[in-house]
Amino acid sequence: QVHLVQSGAEVKKPGASVKLSCEATGYSFSGYYMHWVRQAPGQGLEWMAMINPNFGVATGYSQKFRDRLTVTADTSTSSLHMELRSLTSEDTAVYYCAREGRDGTYLFDFWGQGTLVTVSS
Amino acid sequence: QSALTQPRSVSGSPGQSVTISCTGTSSDVGAYNYVSWYQQHPGKAPKLLIYDVTKRPSGVPDRFSGSKSGNTASLTISGLQAEDETDYYCSSYAGSHTVVFGGGTTLTVL
Repeated sequence: QVHLVQSGAEVKKPGASVKLSCEATGYSFSGYYMHWVRQAPGQGLEWMAMINPNFGVATGYSQKFRDRLTVTADTSTSSLHMELRSLTSEDTAVYYCAREGRDGTYLFDFWGQGTLVTVSS
Repeated sequence: QSALTQPRSVSGSPGQSVTISCTGTSSDVGAYNYVSWYQQHPGKAPKLLIYDVTKRPSGVPDRFSGSKSGNTASLTISGLQAEDETDYYCSSYAGSHTVVFGGGTTLTVL
């Protein structure tokens, strides 16, 4: 069965960068687009970026994160990665990876368990 | 990209029906039939309830249904049950390989 397993919680200082990963098992990783979504404490879901794993680099970014977010994929390890730079306290959130269930329909049928990133001085 | 507009909260009694609206623009909800709905329990990852405006993944009860009119999509939950009490989010494709979510709605079962 499909599983998306994310890396562990991170604590970072303002101005630092954070790298998160998401390992996919149970399906052909290269066959599905992947997305990153985050959720600040007590807040709603916020879409960040998407990637076609076959391209290796992101194919779509939210304008909000375009300048400080890098998303990559490695089909050899079936893993998704993201790096968010210049962190502020407003980046404190749970970050989810999600699989797009069918190309071009932007539905997220499987989600990782989430990674909590805390930004604090 | 502005978030889609959802009511912050809705409520209903067991057995009743409730509808949650999701209002966007002619650039997202109104332009594409790629509206999805997610259910999220506290501390858990979201779960897909509805996709392509009206379709249900296997395993989702038919008490959950979706529709769209113009720039507004809706999720209707009929035969409310206690376990339906949680948060619901809509999302829509917004063009240029981007997605936008709604602000979320908390459903209370009275």
